[in-house]
Amino acid sequence: GENVEQHPSTLSVQEGDSAVIKCTYSDSASNYFPWYKQELGKRPQLIIDIRSNVGEKKDQRIAVTLNKTAKHFSLHITETQPEDSAVYFCAASRGGGSNYKLTFGKGTLLTVNP
Amino acid sequence: NAGVTQTPKFRVLKTGQSMTLLCAQDMNHEYMYWYRQDPGMGLRLIHYSVGEGTTAKGEVPDGYNVSRLKKQNFLLGLESAAPSQTSVYFCASSSFTSGGTDTQYFGPGTRLTVL
Repeated sequence: GENVEQHPSTLSVQEGDSAVIKCTYSDSASNYFPWYKQELGKRPQLIIDIRSNVGEKKDQRIAVTLNKTAKHFSLHITETQPEDSAVYFCAASRGGGSNYKLTFGKGTLLTVNP
Repeated sequence: NAGVTQTPKFRVLKTGQSMTLLCAQDMNHEYMYWYRQDPGMGLRLIHYSVGEGTTAKGEVPDGYNVSRLKKQNFLLGLESAAPSQTSVYFCASSSFTSGGTDTQYFGPGTRLTVL
């Protein structure tokens, strides 16, 4: 089955700096890669996703890049703010057909220091 | 719309007791999922359902059973609770799109402690 590795497990940055979280996946058939943000005590919520026919996607201060050849994808947050502090999870899925499961990475605790 | 709701929010069990966690969604989603979240382990899939009356095993199914008798509800059962099942349980749901897997929407979670 799919295996998703996520690094780093913790990341501390100063407000205004950029943060990058990286994930690798094992199943070359995976074609959907979402990122979820989970604030303390809250539910995970989707912040951005990318499909395998796209190399990069941006949404304001957040961007995701995908390298299918190397089987890795990354989350980039620019101009970080204290409210960006949370646990971030990457995930991968084959999508379509009969395989609707997401496999999650173990998460990255991002701390943005004022 | 309430989205995805879970009942109860908190529960304490003694080893060997049984309980059922209820997940409900009002978004008419076909797919529903149960995850457990443990520190440093991310979200691990327990069981999932691709439609009413269907269920399938996920990554960590042992010790759990599920049922999807109605499209909007997905029940997770613990027949004989063990301390290793102490965790936060999240339910999620998603719809089908022509492009494949769609966004999973999560419930607020149930914090379960087994003594």
